[in-house]
Amino acid sequence: DAGVIQSPRHEVTEMGQEVTLRCKPISGHNSLFWYRQTMMRGLELLIYFNNNVPIDDSGMPEDRFSAKMPNASFSTLKIQPSEPRDSAVYFCASSWDRSPMNTEAFFGQGTRLTVV
Amino acid sequence: AQSVAQPEDQVNVAEGNPLTVKCTYSVSGNPYLFWYVQYPNRGLQFLLKYITGDNLVKGSYGFEAEFNKSQTSFHLKKPSALVSDSALYFCAVYAGNNRKLIWGLGTSLAVNP
Repeated sequence: DAGVIQSPRHEVTEMGQEVTLRCKPISGHNSLFWYRQTMMRGLELLIYFNNNVPIDDSGMPEDRFSAKMPNASFSTLKIQPSEPRDSAVYFCASSWDRSPMNTEAFFGQGTRLTVV
Repeated sequence: AQSVAQPEDQVNVAEGNPLTVKCTYSVSGNPYLFWYVQYPNRGLQFLLKYITGDNLVKGSYGFEAEFNKSQTSFHLKKPSALVSDSALYFCAVYAGNNRKLIWGLGTSLAVNP
């Protein structure tokens, strides 16, 4: 398996523009996580899906952020409108979640977002 | 409140020497503890985990960690450091019925030749 695939790897956009980040989880995994990493706040869980259903979105910063998982092999994280403070590295991770506390997650290489 | 602390922002060690990266936690219930490593411009990679059983857990790349319930610690160790071990290391914990991993802020390990 190629692992968790994220696109694009880098994104530079202007403030106010819509940004869409994409993720393809590992085939057979049933849980998907979106994280944001910054120097100031470290690694933050934004949202967690299980079997394509959002389970916990309490980490989504505000209404400008939305995430979807239309099927088991694809997820998107959308920011509209984007702001400079959204600049960060966004990671997608997946796992086989029979017992979530027992299962490690596999991370993609991340999308480095810069909003100018 | 449930939390994970990595008290050292940076650890420096000479190649060939033993290394320790510290992690302490505060949770209610039994902890499920994880270590991940992040190389530059890469995603996090799983190293090892403690769920139950033997307090000494062995993982990838020669790393091991010891769960100490009385000290609420889960320090990462390696007997002989390599320059290629230089990376950012994260400790994380699941607690109770909360399906959300709680992450430490990370420790930057620098192994000097």
